Amino acid sequence: KAGVTQTPRYLIKTRGQQVTLSCSPISGHRSVSWYQQTPGQGLQFLFEYFSETQRNKGNFPGRFSGRQFSNSRSEMNVSTLELGDSALYLCASSLGPGNEQFFGPGTRLTVL
Amino acid sequence: QKEVEQNSGPLSVPEGAIASLNCTYSDRVSQSFFWYRQYSGKSPELIMSIYSNGDKEDGRFTAQLNTASQYVSLLIRDSQPSDSATYLCAVMRSEYGNKLVFGAGTILRVKS
Repeated sequence: KAGVTQTPRYLIKTRGQQVTLSCSPISGHRSVSWYQQTPGQGLQFLFEYFSETQRNKGNFPGRFSGRQFSNSRSEMNVSTLELGDSALYLCASSLGPGNEQFFGPGTRLTVL
Repeated sequence: QKEVEQNSGPLSVPEGAIASLNCTYSDRVSQSFFWYRQYSGKSPELIMSIYSNGDKEDGRFTAQLNTASQYVSLLIRDSQPSDSATYLCAVMRSEYGNKLVFGAGTILRVKS
């Protein structure tokens, strides 16, 4: 069974721009969660989607948003990029809320 | 107090020894516990999940949960150089959906 896929794998943007990251969960998984990983803050929860609905949101500013489509694929968007948004953005899929989560390879975002 | 605490290490063990990784959590109502392994430059990989008090064994890995003392540990038997990685402890409360709260991780180095 194919794992979680994320695109793009690497991204370089400048301050003020916006970015959209994509995640395709494991086949049959309906829940997608997003995390940000930085050396200083570690892994932090961004948000969770299930059945196209955001069920939970972490402590991030409104510049961070996301959505989920009917095929369970998910996107996250970051607007007005700041230098501090440079991070590894990880998507994790699970069968449903409360189940084991499996991570994709991540998108490495660099903001210049 | 951080929600999930781990000793950052590095923890150095000789090849063939038992590596013991520990994690404490502050939320008594946490219900699900996970250990992830993360190699440098890679995404986290789920290696163990544990949901009830006691031990759970899977190959060379044993997870131990003690909810009264609020700690969860991971034992790696017959440690191999390929086990050298950062080990992340994560906890989940079902009321918070799929939100995983991670510790900062423990760096494990297995010396051959």
